[in-house]
Amino acid sequence: GAVVSQHPSWVICKSGTSVKIECRSLDFQATTMFWYRQFPKQSLMLMATSNEGSKATYEQGVEKDKFLINHASLTLSTLTVTSAHPEDSSFYICSASSGGLETQYFGPGTRLLVL
Amino acid sequence: KQEVTQIPAALSVPEGENLVLNCSFTDSAIYNLQWFRQDPGKGLTSLLLIQSSQREQTSGRLNASLDKSSGRSTLYIAASQPGDSATYLCAVTAYNQGGKLIFGQGTELSVKP
Repeated sequence: GAVVSQHPSWVICKSGTSVKIECRSLDFQATTMFWYRQFPKQSLMLMATSNEGSKATYEQGVEKDKFLINHASLTLSTLTVTSAHPEDSSFYICSASSGGLETQYFGPGTRLLVL
Repeated sequence: KQEVTQIPAALSVPEGENLVLNCSFTDSAIYNLQWFRQDPGKGLTSLLLIQSSQREQTSGRLNASLDKSSGRSTLYIAASQPGDSATYLCAVTAYNQGGKLIFGQGTELSVKP
């Protein structure tokens, strides 16, 4: 199956700093990438959908100025958590697809801890 | 708005038992349904994907069924093993929503030796 990587796998940062998470599709062109957040003992919640070369579409309740998403190429999307606070601590997972209703392939996730 | 529900939230069984995990969804207009496995602190592993036109899919000891008209899917695990212990998530891809996956809350399975 298709492979999606995320970097870093975990990150600890101080409150008020910004953190960038990368999501890469290694062996296919990802027209669409999705970003999810998962709190402990909870399911995945979609944060935003990004199509290559376009602005991301954010789900209701997700602050677009806080969670900056860039999808500038067919193999890379980035999520930047700006001015992170402890409540942003979570497990962030990306997925990638070749668009439309095609299968999403998931990255291994990035654990963020904001102190 | 599509909602996905999984029952039970947690399940503990002795090794060797056959078990069934349930998933229900409110809108039958789905493109496909997937079952995933998630180990603690890890990402998702796709187990089975059922297209809306299919009734079931099998992989080894796993069998997933889909009844789109009633909005239900089951994941059957035969001869459970301690290594099957994980959280199992089902998710549907809805039409007209740009390929979004909508997840259930998951069932946390523990298989005791």
